[in-house]
Amino acid sequence: EDQVTQSPEALRLQEGESSSLNCSYTVSGLRGLFWYRQDPGKGPEFLFTLYSAGEEKEKERLKATLTKKESFLHITAPKPEDSATYLCAVQAPNSGYALNFGKGTSLLVTP
Amino acid sequence: NAGVTQTPKFQVLKTGQSMTLQCAQDMNHEYMSWYRQDPGMGLRLIHYSVGAGITDQGEVPNGYNVSRSTTEDFPLRLLSAAPSQTSVYFCASSYVTGGRVGYTFGSGTRLTVV
Repeated sequence: EDQVTQSPEALRLQEGESSSLNCSYTVSGLRGLFWYRQDPGKGPEFLFTLYSAGEEKEKERLKATLTKKESFLHITAPKPEDSATYLCAVQAPNSGYALNFGKGTSLLVTP
Repeated sequence: NAGVTQTPKFQVLKTGQSMTLQCAQDMNHEYMSWYRQDPGMGLRLIHYSVGAGITDQGEVPNGYNVSRSTTEDFPLRLLSAAPSQTSVYFCASSYVTGGRVGYTFGSGTRLTVV
């Protein structure tokens, strides 16, 4: 059973066109929801951790929010350098703090 | 601090060969884990460790062995490589402080089995 589902799978935006990526989760007793950015050929790069519903965090053009069932990664006025795959993850139950990842959203921002 | 170091970065194996993917961290993190990433599949947990001498299976452990003799090292062994093990492998280490967890990922090993 999937615990983390991301949508859309791929997203193409024009530079400056704001949008949101979605991450829905079904794990009980959430101990943290994580957002990562991954560039081609690189490992995941940490963006945010959210712990409780209502929490929000921001970094430059990115803002992450959390509800009891899902998280959103809002991208405001994106630039081509924001093009990457964005991964969402939760702590896997009974797995020594290992993470359970969604399949990711591939974002392309065109000039 | 070097963080999490994975070697090699690239490897080509023939079916049936064995090899070890190395993972080392210099942050004294207690927890370590191995993932594989395939196109369209996200990262999937192979094995994890909660401390030296303690390992357990994740979601996709078949065909892989691990050991953790020291805090720093967590090697992943492919016993008899198969084309289905062609993937990108990531190692991560993590720590817990105040009930909150932080993770550091290596840069990955790209493995091709022919």
